[in-house]
Amino acid sequence: AQTVTQSQPEMSVQEAETVTLSCTYDTSESDYYLFWYKQPPSRQMILVIRQEAYKQQNATENRFSVNFQKAAKSFSLKISDSQLGDAAMYFCAYRSYKPGGTSYGKLTFGQGTILTVHP
Amino acid sequence: EAQVTQNPRYLITVTGKKLTVTCSQNMNHEYMSWYRQDPGLGLRQIYYSMNVEVTDKGDVPEGYKVSRKEKRNFPLILESPSPNQTSLYFCASSLWAASGAPSQYFGPGTRLTVL
Repeated sequence: AQTVTQSQPEMSVQEAETVTLSCTYDTSESDYYLFWYKQPPSRQMILVIRQEAYKQQNATENRFSVNFQKAAKSFSLKISDSQLGDAAMYFCAYRSYKPGGTSYGKLTFGQGTILTVHP
Repeated sequence: EAQVTQNPRYLITVTGKKLTVTCSQNMNHEYMSWYRQDPGLGLRQIYYSMNVEVTDKGDVPEGYKVSRKEKRNFPLILESPSPNQTSLYFCASSLWAASGAPSQYFGPGTRLTVL
């Protein structure tokens, strides 16, 4: 079974600065997907960024980028130019590639990291 | 507007009183699932459904039931709720695809408290 670990329960950053959230995972699969979700106080789950394991290039979405280290099974999220609206709980998640299997569609989540942004 | 809806959004109940949390999606998605979110544990899958009349257990199915009689609806049933089922519940849906990872859409969450 896959596991996802976020070792930082809380992080803080000054507005306009850069912060990196850590995530490690364990899997025996070679093909999979990784995600970062944002959960603001509204509790809505918002997809921030996704990474396909077969792609060597790190995904980027505006101010958000990842550092995907497949051999190390590490998947960190970098938020540049942090804004007050970035304050939220962030979850790292894993999804198997296997189509149609019993784990199809299942997201395995880490414990979450609460990000505070100071003005 | 594409969306997943859940009702109720908040519920306080007592031990043993049967309840149902409804989930509905308007995107014609085949795949639907339920997660519960607990502090320090992240989200864990309770049940999932690949299509109408096809459901299976996730990682934490004890104490829950589901049904999928219509494609758009996937209710979560707690026949005899207990305090350890106090949690935040999310319904999610996506297309079923032979390959790739179609985006999953999450509902707004249901905060359940069992006294």
